[in-house]
Amino acid sequence: NAGVTQTPKFQVLKTGQSMTLQCAQDMNHEYMSWYRQDPGMGLRLIHYSVGAGITDQGEVPNGYNVSRSTTEDFPLRLLSAAPSQTSVYFCASSYDTFSTLDTGELFFGEGSRLTVL
Amino acid sequence: GQQVMQIPQYQHVQEGEDFTTYCNSSTTLSNIQWYKQRPGGHPVFLIQLVKSGEVKKQKRLTFQFGEAKKNSSLHITATQTTDVGTYFCAGPQGAGNMLTFGGGTRLMVKP
Repeated sequence: NAGVTQTPKFQVLKTGQSMTLQCAQDMNHEYMSWYRQDPGMGLRLIHYSVGAGITDQGEVPNGYNVSRSTTEDFPLRLLSAAPSQTSVYFCASSYDTFSTLDTGELFFGEGSRLTVL
Repeated sequence: GQQVMQIPQYQHVQEGEDFTTYCNSSTTLSNIQWYKQRPGGHPVFLIQLVKSGEVKKQKRLTFQFGEAKKNSSLHITATQTTDVGTYFCAGPQGAGNMLTFGGGTRLMVKP
């Protein structure tokens, strides 16, 4: 199994450009999510999905769109890139929600480093 | 809003010294998880704590979950250079009970 695969690994954009970060998992996980990581701020949840056809906003959703047409894929779209979106983006998946006692771990992709000029 | 706070933000230690990072939540957590991120890498799951007052050990790492299930700690005994990285705690909070991460503690070990 490949686990969680993210592409591209690196990307440079100009302000105002749009792009899509791809994420795919082959573990048949229902739950998928996107986090951004900025120095000193940990990992902040952008959007998440609890299953195909269902998406919801996380802590910092503005400027991003997601869709979940299949269980495997969860792309993140930047509509009009801004310098404030310069960050490292991680896609992550899990088998179950984290509110139960018998929960599993969050599996992360290797990250996509985005620079917006 | 709901938050998970971690201290310290950075820690430099001499190899062989002990290290502890602390995690505090503004709300009671059903469980807490710990992750390690090596420089340039992605977060990797270390452990999950579920019960009030729970203590778990993994070799030189000791994890504790507070009695009120609002705080946790990770203690590393006799650090090694392989322990270098950022350690995150995370608990289910807020939107959809997805994981909310602390800001992380970056551990640097001087050989």
